[in-house]
Amino acid sequence: NAGVTQTPKFQVLKTGQSMTLQCAQDMNHNSMYWYRQDPGMGLRLIYYSASEGTTDKGEVPNGYNVSRLNKREFSLRLESAAPSQTSVYFCASRAWGTDTQYFGPGTRLTVL
Amino acid sequence: GENVEQHPSTLSVQEGDSAVIKCTYSDSASNYFPWYKQELGKRPQLIIDIRSNVGEKKDQRIAVTLNKTAKHFSLHITETQPEDSAVYFCAASMGGGSQGNLIFGKGTKLSVKP
Repeated sequence: NAGVTQTPKFQVLKTGQSMTLQCAQDMNHNSMYWYRQDPGMGLRLIYYSASEGTTDKGEVPNGYNVSRLNKREFSLRLESAAPSQTSVYFCASRAWGTDTQYFGPGTRLTVL
Repeated sequence: GENVEQHPSTLSVQEGDSAVIKCTYSDSASNYFPWYKQELGKRPQLIIDIRSNVGEKKDQRIAVTLNKTAKHFSLHITETQPEDSAVYFCAASMGGGSQGNLIFGKGTKLSVKP
């Protein structure tokens, strides 16, 4: 099993450009999450999907949209990137009835 | 909503010493408290967790204690080794079910000096 995978690993954007971060898991997990990690700020939840077909806002959703494409895939879209969105983005997944979240390797995004 | 405070933000110890990291949480409904270790440039990885029906849990050199009354929990690492150097995050959630959203502390950078 590959676990949780993310693409791309690195990305540089100019202000105003758009892009989609991809996340997939092969553990048959129901719940998936998107976090951003900034220095000294820990991990902050952007959006989550408790199950296929549902998505909800987390702590810092402004400037982002998500799509739960199917049970395996959960994408994060930046419609008009801003320098404040420079961060490392982690996707995670969790099986219902359990508590442990498993993280992907992350995407390092720089917005110039 | 839940708020998790973590201290200290940096911790430096000599190899072989013990290290203690403390977290407090605000929501008494939280019942699941994991600790994640993140090495430089890597993903966070779960190292130990505890649920509110347990006061202490150990796994080799790592232990976690929970005081529900005071709403705080701590990570204890004994006989520290250079490979323990990393950033450690605590988190809290109401556990399982359809949400299980984690609220993280801001992290502690642990440096173990040989």
